[in-house]
Amino acid sequence: QSVLTQPASVSGSPGQSITISCTGTSSDVGGYDFVSWYQQHPGKVPKLLIYGVTKWPSGVSSRFSGSKSGNTASLTISGLQVDDEADYYCFSYARGGTFLFGGGTKVTVL
Amino acid sequence: EVQLVESGGGLVQPGGSLRLSCAASGFTFSSYWMTWVRLSPGKGLEWVANINPDGSAHYYVDSVKGRFTISRDNAKSSLYLQVNSLRADDTALYYCARALYTGNSDLGYWGQGTLVTVSS
Repeated sequence: QSVLTQPASVSGSPGQSITISCTGTSSDVGGYDFVSWYQQHPGKVPKLLIYGVTKWPSGVSSRFSGSKSGNTASLTISGLQVDDEADYYCFSYARGGTFLFGGGTKVTVL
Repeated sequence: EVQLVESGGGLVQPGGSLRLSCAASGFTFSSYWMTWVRLSPGKGLEWVANINPDGSAHYYVDSVKGRFTISRDNAKSSLYLQVNSLRADDTALYYCARALYTGNSDLGYWGQGTLVTVSS
C-alpha cells in the first residue's frame, strides 16, 4: 500500500485558481470512481470537500471542484481565499477493502 | 447532531497496548461504516482500518495488520481499536470517522481525536 502522490505545496494569490493533483495507479485512483478530498486547518479536524470524484457534501462551497483523468485526480480551488490556507488530502479506494490517503498538499495564500 | 468522541489514548512504552474507544451519538450507529484514521507528527493522514455496519467485515492498512483490531458494539454505539505491540511510528492522533451516507465509505464526520504517544 503506497501513499498517493500529491505536490508538497501549492500557492496562489487571493482570487486566483489553483489545482492540486493526486496521482495513483490503476489499482486505486484509476480503477474506481471513489476519490474524495479533505481540508485540514492546523489543529482542526479534517473536513470532507469532495466525494465520488466530483460531488459536494451539503454545505461545501462550489469553489472547490474535483475531477479525474486516468490515474490522476485533481482538486481545483477557484477564487482563492485567505481561509483556504490549509492542508489538503486526496483519498481513494485501493481494492481489497482498503483505502489510501495522499501525502498531503500545503496550500499557501500569498 | 452527529457526535463522535474518542478516548483511551495516552503515553505507552514500545511493545505496549491500548484500547481506543469512540462513542457515537446523534445517528443510527448500526447503519454506518466506521473508520479509524491517524495523523502522525509531521506527516499526513493515514487510513488505519474500517469496519462494516454489522461488524462482520474489517480491513486494515498493512503496517498494522496483526497488531491492531477494529471492533464495534452497536448496542452501545461504540467503535473500538485495540492497539498492541505499539511502535514509535504508531505515535499519532487517532480519529474515528463516520461514513457520509449509509452504504458509503467517504469520511463525512470526524471526532476530535485521541493522542497516542509511544515512547520509553
